[in-house]
Amino acid sequence: AQRVTQPEKLLSVFKGAPVELKCNYSYSGSPELFWYVQYSRQRLQLLLRHISRESIKGFTADLNKGETSFHLKKPFAQEEDSAMYYCAPHNDMRFGAGTRLTVKP
Amino acid sequence: DTGVSQNPRHKITKRGQNVTFRCDPISEHNRLYWYRQTLGQGPEFLTYFQNEAQLEKSRLLSDRFSAERPKGSFSTLEIQRTEQGDSAMYLCASSLRDGTDTQYFGPGTRLTVL
Repeated sequence: AQRVTQPEKLLSVFKGAPVELKCNYSYSGSPELFWYVQYSRQRLQLLLRHISRESIKGFTADLNKGETSFHLKKPFAQEEDSAMYYCAPHNDMRFGAGTRLTVKP
Repeated sequence: DTGVSQNPRHKITKRGQNVTFRCDPISEHNRLYWYRQTLGQGPEFLTYFQNEAQLEKSRLLSDRFSAERPKGSFSTLEIQRTEQGDSAMYLCASSLRDGTDTQYFGPGTRLTVL
């Protein structure tokens, strides 16, 4: 079965600092992974997917097959980035437990 | 189309009662998913449909839970003989099986079992 693990439940950084939210996967084959985000009082929504290799709101995520990771990164965090972030495999409905990011002013 | 909608948004019931939730997906989406989310946890998969066929059910879905999508459009999730442990946010999502399978989520139905 496809599994993702988000080792940090909470992450707090100051505005302007770099941020990295960790996601590790544990399944074989060619993984396809997503990051979803849930801002306060809003519905869960897609942030980015690795196959498109896009940058959304300054976030990027690179699939590292050697480390079996798909970490989400942003060089300069903003207060509006504060939210819950979930890693999820494509075509499998087992979301990670989530990381709550707080960006302090 | 305003996206995925769920009704009701909130439901308070007494233990032992039956409840039914409805999800209306984005109209052209052929996949529909149900999740349960409790405080501090990620969405836990319950079941999903492709058109009207229920393709997978989690073992979390006890026999008190049943879901239907009779015409391949809206779906209902029924919980019979509710227990306090059923209190959670129930999320619905839909996707188009087009290779990306991006899920679009509804606002959720918050169930409180007293």
